[in-house]
Amino acid sequence: GAVVSQHPSWVICKSGTSVKIECRSLDFQATTMFWYRQFPKQSLMLMATSNEGSKATYEQGVEKDKFLINHASLTLSTLTVTSAHPEDSSFYICSARVAGAAYEQYFGPGTRLTVT
Amino acid sequence: KNEVEQSPQNLTAQEGEFITINCSYSVGISALHWLQQHPGGGIVSLFMLSSGKKKHGRLIATINIQEKHSSLHITASHPRDSAVYICAANYGGSQGNLIFGKGTKLSVKP
Repeated sequence: GAVVSQHPSWVICKSGTSVKIECRSLDFQATTMFWYRQFPKQSLMLMATSNEGSKATYEQGVEKDKFLINHASLTLSTLTVTSAHPEDSSFYICSARVAGAAYEQYFGPGTRLTVT
Repeated sequence: KNEVEQSPQNLTAQEGEFITINCSYSVGISALHWLQQHPGGGIVSLFMLSSGKKKHGRLIATINIQEKHSSLHITASHPRDSAVYICAANYGGSQGNLIFGKGTKLSVKP
């Protein structure tokens, strides 16, 4: 149990295009999902916190108009990188917190984005 | 300041060896996570614990609340265990944000 999936696992896109990444909790409901970004040889950095049915909370320095987050259901959150640029190339990881649990959360496998 | 310290930073072992990775944190955590990140980047949630000990296959995670310390043990290590192991502490709060350690890169030689 407690599986989180991400789709796609990797994507290559051209500069200026938009890319959508999905994060799904497969066997539990998640009222809160977190989106992280990881650059090479660095630790995960929280980008935003997504709560089902409400607006996401973005960390300082993360552009909310560039990284659009939608959490429309208890099992799905999406991150859309709009007008992607090469510097957006990174590894994007989501985690989902079990509904009703203060700290029980599970991580997705990640999505590698390369912008050419 | 809430921090998470991992040691060692790098670890090389021979196949079959018993491995221990350590994680120290500040007071007041709600839970501690151990994650495994493979060379390709994929992350696997290994354990989430707030007290005691958990075991899954050859992996064992322990936490000592009084000493603010957690360990991840791998018994009978295998080359496929080669990965980066990350501990992350949940300091609670309304968002349940995690503070990540810098990771321990493990290489198991055949």
